[in-house]
Amino acid sequence: DAGVIQSPRHEVTEMGQEVTLRCKPISGHNSLFWYRQTMMRGLELLIYFNNNVPIDDSGMPEDRFSAKMPNASFSTLKIQPSEPRDSAVYFCASSLGPGGYTFGSGTRLTVV
Amino acid sequence: GDSVTQMEGPVTLSEEAFLTINCTYTATGYPSLFWYVQYPGEGLQLLLKATKADDKGSNKGFEATYRKETTSFHLEKGSVQVSDSAVYFCALSGGGGGSNYKLTFGKGTLLTVNP
Repeated sequence: DAGVIQSPRHEVTEMGQEVTLRCKPISGHNSLFWYRQTMMRGLELLIYFNNNVPIDDSGMPEDRFSAKMPNASFSTLKIQPSEPRDSAVYFCASSLGPGGYTFGSGTRLTVV
Repeated sequence: GDSVTQMEGPVTLSEEAFLTINCTYTATGYPSLFWYVQYPGEGLQLLLKATKADDKGSNKGFEATYRKETTSFHLEKGSVQVSDSAVYFCALSGGGGGSNYKLTFGKGTLLTVNP
């Protein structure tokens, strides 16, 4: 199994631009999670899906952030418009039940 | 809500030293407990887990015991190696019962092992 696949690995964009991060979970996993990691705040859960349905999006910082999961094998996290304070590493993870997650390698986003 | 508190780092040890990273939690119900490790430039990897009180999780020489009476899940290793240098995260899930598989993480502890 290739694991959780995220793209791109690195993204540098200018303030005000739209950014789309992508995630392919492990086949058969029914839960998908988006996290953001910064030095100041550590790991923050942004949103999670169960069977493609958003269950808890209370961690989404503001309306500029949106996430979708159109099918069981693909999810996107979009930021529009992006701001310098959105610079962070964004992780996607998937799981089947409560046994623990499998994380992707992350997308390092820099907004200049 | 659920929360995890782990010892502040950074922790710096010499090779073959004994390691303890403290972790305590607050949760309703009966959570599962985890330790994850993050090597530089990588995502988090599951290191070990325990799903009920008095369970001991172990992997790669690391151990942690689920102590319900003290709400703790301290990570230990008898003899660390340089290759253990990483950030370690304590986490819990399912504290609220039901199908809540959301993981709540501590802030992480940076471990540096010197030769």
